[in-house]
Amino acid sequence: GESVGLHLPTLSVQEGDNSIINCAYSNSASDYFIWYKQESGKGPQFIIDIRSNMDKRQGQRVTVLLNKTVKHLSLQIAATQPGDSAVYFCAEIPGGSYIPTFGRGTSLIVHP
Amino acid sequence: DAGITQSPRHKVTETGTPVTLRCHQTENHRYMYWYRQDPGHGLRLIHYSYGVKDTDKGEVSDGYSVSRSKTEDFLLTLESATSSQTSVYFCAIRGDGRPQETQYFGPGTRLLVL
Repeated sequence: GESVGLHLPTLSVQEGDNSIINCAYSNSASDYFIWYKQESGKGPQFIIDIRSNMDKRQGQRVTVLLNKTVKHLSLQIAATQPGDSAVYFCAEIPGGSYIPTFGRGTSLIVHP
Repeated sequence: DAGITQSPRHKVTETGTPVTLRCHQTENHRYMYWYRQDPGHGLRLIHYSYGVKDTDKGEVSDGYSVSRSKTEDFLLTLESATSSQTSVYFCAIRGDGRPQETQYFGPGTRLLVL
């Protein structure tokens, strides 16, 4: 919602463009990663996940890339639509733990 | 919202009053979590539960208590609300299926402490 969007990095794109949202994670022991989407006034919604033994995973219109060397995660959204407008944030989970650490997120704005 | 409801959805209260937020799930999941979400921060864990009557503290547990008397309900209580507890509170659940790590969130409760 509006309070979540404050102070966040913002990515503005045109409808139909591809979007790339980035996330730097901190713990080299993290071996499971999740991307969530949060629309205004709603709870976070699971989009896609990836384990550390993979570099890339594809879903419907979304792809997650993982670069363990530089501890970087990205979410690519193909043919971005106005309904994709939301805050996107990543979560990292260390091996053996079920407690995630969440990033602050990026606000994606899609212009028709 | 993965079979999770939260109540109330909105609440305004005064400093010093007790407040209880409820999370109810229909998934029969073992693990339940309470988070708060504030501008400038990622979701921060308050308390979590790994079974009926089994709970543990998270990163920001001061001023909060929890109870879980049934699998489906996880209650978060602010014993004496303060303005710093104005926030949006989310409940999450996690099952034992694969992947085990994934948490699913409820719709949130927006709390304003005056």
